[in-house]
Amino acid sequence: EDKVVQSPLSLVVHEGDTVTLNCSYEVTNFRSLLWYKQEKKAPTFLFMLTSSGIEKKSGRLSSILDKKELSSILNITATQTGDSAIYLCAVGSGTYKYIFGTGTRLKVLA
Amino acid sequence: DTGVSQDPRHKITKRGQNVTFRCDPISEHNRLYWYRQTLGQGPEFLTYFQNEAQLEKSRLLSDRFSAERPKGSFSTLEIQRTEQGDSAMYLCASSSPSVASGPRKGSYNEQFFGPGTRLTVL
Repeated sequence: EDKVVQSPLSLVVHEGDTVTLNCSYEVTNFRSLLWYKQEKKAPTFLFMLTSSGIEKKSGRLSSILDKKELSSILNITATQTGDSAIYLCAVGSGTYKYIFGTGTRLKVLA
Repeated sequence: DTGVSQDPRHKITKRGQNVTFRCDPISEHNRLYWYRQTLGQGPEFLTYFQNEAQLEKSRLLSDRFSAERPKGSFSTLEIQRTEQGDSAMYLCASSSPSVASGPRKGSYNEQFFGPGTRLTVL
């Protein structure tokens, strides 16, 4: 059965810290891996990864995929209170389906 | 310019009643997804449409659930004979089949989510 596991489940840091969130997966016919940020509403898209070893960056956020290890990490540097959210990892399996992990709840303290 | 919209935003119903939710995707998007999300969990895939064709349906979707996208634009999700376990946030997402061109079209596989419909079954 397809599954996506995220760790840690929750994390509390102080502003300015760097955090690394993990996503590992076991799916049939891997297609892509997506990261989303979810605050008190619907998820918003951060990154899509399809190739191993190529880092995607957007400001203080970056992500990389390791298809050999079936995993991805999301890094956030110089965290701010506005980064507090649930970070979701989703993996495209087969032709159309996406499997989401349970998310990592990040809280950044001022 | 509007994103994905869903209606209603909240629905409270009694067990055994039928409910219907509507999703209007971004106009250029031909791919539409329905998900269900409960507290502390990530979104759970329910079904996928490409244009008007329902191409994939989760095994978790019992026969009380049905979804349609009759003209390849908006979609409806109906739950018949609701149960308390159906209480959840129902999310709709859409995506474009083409490579990135503009902030709303997004890149291939990038899903834009609607605000969700929160269902409470009493």
